[in-house]
Amino acid sequence: KAGVTQTPRYLIKTRGQQVTLSCSPISGHRSVSWYQQTPGQGLQFLFEYFSETQRNKGNFPGRFSGRQFSNSRSEMNVSTLELGDSALYLCASSRTSGGATDTQYFGPGTRLTVL
Amino acid sequence: GNSVTQMEGPVTLSEEAFLTINCTYTATGYPSLFWYVQYPGEGLQLLLKATKADDKGSNKGFEATYRKETTSFHLEKGSVQVSDSAVYFCALSVRVAQKLVFGQGTRLTINP
Repeated sequence: KAGVTQTPRYLIKTRGQQVTLSCSPISGHRSVSWYQQTPGQGLQFLFEYFSETQRNKGNFPGRFSGRQFSNSRSEMNVSTLELGDSALYLCASSRTSGGATDTQYFGPGTRLTVL
Repeated sequence: GNSVTQMEGPVTLSEEAFLTINCTYTATGYPSLFWYVQYPGEGLQLLLKATKADDKGSNKGFEATYRKETTSFHLEKGSVQVSDSAVYFCALSVRVAQKLVFGQGTRLTINP
């Protein structure tokens, strides 16, 4: 069974640009969550989508947005990039949403560098 | 709010040494607890989990017991290997909120 896949693996952008990251969950998983990992702030929750609806949102500015498609694939978008947006962006999928016992499985991440 | 505190790293041990990485949590309700591991250049892999008090999660020689009375979920391994070198994250999730709250991570280095 294929794991969570994320594309692209690496991205280099300049300040002010926008970027779109993609995540394909494990087959049969309907929930997709996004996390940002930085050396200073660690791992922080961005948002979660289930059945094409945003269910939870972390404490990030509106420049960070996402969506989920009917096949459960998800994209996240960051507009007007800032240097501080440089990070590893991780996607995780799980079968359901809101079940604390449900395990989230992570993809390899997309490394975004903003110059 | 919900939070996780891990022991400060980095931790350096010799091969076959005993490992303990401390993790304590603060949560409303009854969280599930997880240990994830991150190898260089990779995403997070689930190492083990426990969903209720007194549960013991185990995998690949690692163990952790959900202690409600001390709000702890310490990771242990009896004999570490060089291949265990990685960053370890303790995390929790609470019901009705499908999001993980992570500790700051502990970098483990095992020397041969």
